[in-house]
Amino acid sequence: GQNIDQPTEMTATEGAIVQINCTYQTSGFNGLFWYQQHAGEAPTFLSYNVLDGLEEKGRFSSFLSRSKGYSYLLLKELQMKDSASYLCAASDSNYQLIWGAGTKLIIKP
Amino acid sequence: GAVVSQHPSWVICKSGTSVKIECRSLDFQATTMFWYRQFPKQSLMLMATSNEGSKATYEQGVEKDKFLINHASLTLSTLTVTSAHPEDSSFYICSATGGVAGDYNEQFFGPGTRLTVL
Repeated sequence: GQNIDQPTEMTATEGAIVQINCTYQTSGFNGLFWYQQHAGEAPTFLSYNVLDGLEEKGRFSSFLSRSKGYSYLLLKELQMKDSASYLCAASDSNYQLIWGAGTKLIIKP
Repeated sequence: GAVVSQHPSWVICKSGTSVKIECRSLDFQATTMFWYRQFPKQSLMLMATSNEGSKATYEQGVEKDKFLINHASLTLSTLTVTSAHPEDSSFYICSATGGVAGDYNEQFFGPGTRLTVL
């Protein structure tokens, strides 16, 4: 079956770095997405990886290992506004997104 | 670019009535639109996938006669919740892609519609 695993909740301190992990099992693979979702709002796109390696975009970076079925989202210089849920989603052979349950990130001052 | 709107943003209705939610791609042609439902503290649940001019493909467990989806144009899809009941209260989110198979098809999300059925 198809499955996405990510931690339910993480806590970090303002100004610090946090890494959110995601493992996936899909029928075929056409890339891995990370989305940010604030409470009561729709998800917003953060990153897309289809090749192995690290993609850096400002304070956010995303890593993919296709052989391990593993990705992580790295958030640097955490700000209070980064408190949100972070959703990992893998695109399967039909380009359909398989969604993880989301990781709620709590930032403390 | 790549803006998706939804209307209404929230709606309260009585049990047994029908509610229509519109999803529009404002600055691109959406070849595929997706409808999701999200219950509190849970992830997105895909309800159905619709391609312009064809019938929607519903996920297992989603009643197609209860959740009517119409994708009549490349910029508009509608979801009608028929005979709504309190258990249908949820956050309904649409997304749209305009890419071609073989490209990565980023989904652009609408702002969501909060449905409360009394």
